[in-house]
Amino acid sequence: QVQLQESGPGLVKPSQTLSLTCTVSGDSISSGPYYWSWIRLPAGKGLEWIGRVYPSGNTNYNPSLKSRVTISLDTSKNQFSLKLISVTASDTAVYYCASGGYNYGASMDVWGTGTTVTVSS
Amino acid sequence: SYDLTQPPSVSVSPGQTASITCFGDKLGEKYVCWYLQKPGQSPVLVIYQDTKRPSGIPERFSGSNSGNTATLTISGTQAMDEADYFCQAWDSSTAVFGGGTKLTVL
Repeated sequence: QVQLQESGPGLVKPSQTLSLTCTVSGDSISSGPYYWSWIRLPAGKGLEWIGRVYPSGNTNYNPSLKSRVTISLDTSKNQFSLKLISVTASDTAVYYCASGGYNYGASMDVWGTGTTVTVSS
Repeated sequence: SYDLTQPPSVSVSPGQTASITCFGDKLGEKYVCWYLQKPGQSPVLVIYQDTKRPSGIPERFSGSNSGNTATLTISGTQAMDEADYFCQAWDSSTAVFGGGTKLTVL
């Protein structure tokens, strides 16, 4: 059973880079038909998909964030990461990592517990 | 960009049937999945590929998708079903979520 856990700073200053890591246990990040995804939930708003990475390293990004986002794999640590540059207060949210594309079609069926990131000086 | 529209809130009495809709252009031509999320918890997949239930999801959860509207139906709603519900579809390799519907069980 795949399990995911987010980690990273809880506070980021405006204009700086938000960096988060998702540690995967229970399977290899570089195998299978999975994809690995990041999603966020701003307070009082709905879920927003940020993007995904495949074991091949191929990526898809939300067009509204594409210019600021990079999602990548670290196969040596069985982790994948999110980098979001030039953050503003509107990037304050709970950030989740998730996996999908294997058990239940293209749905995201395994989620991490989430980590809160606040953008503030 | 592709948009999915959900009603902000739905109320239902215990034991009754709750229906939550998700509207998008030609949505019936895409697969829709549904997630529930309770406060402070991670989203949980309850319906995938329009009508299918993942292992462990109660039979009272069902889904449909036709035309421009997908619907999540909860039969015999229980107090534990009170949560935010989000629909989701894929458009050009981009995941799109609806704005979410808060289900209140009165």
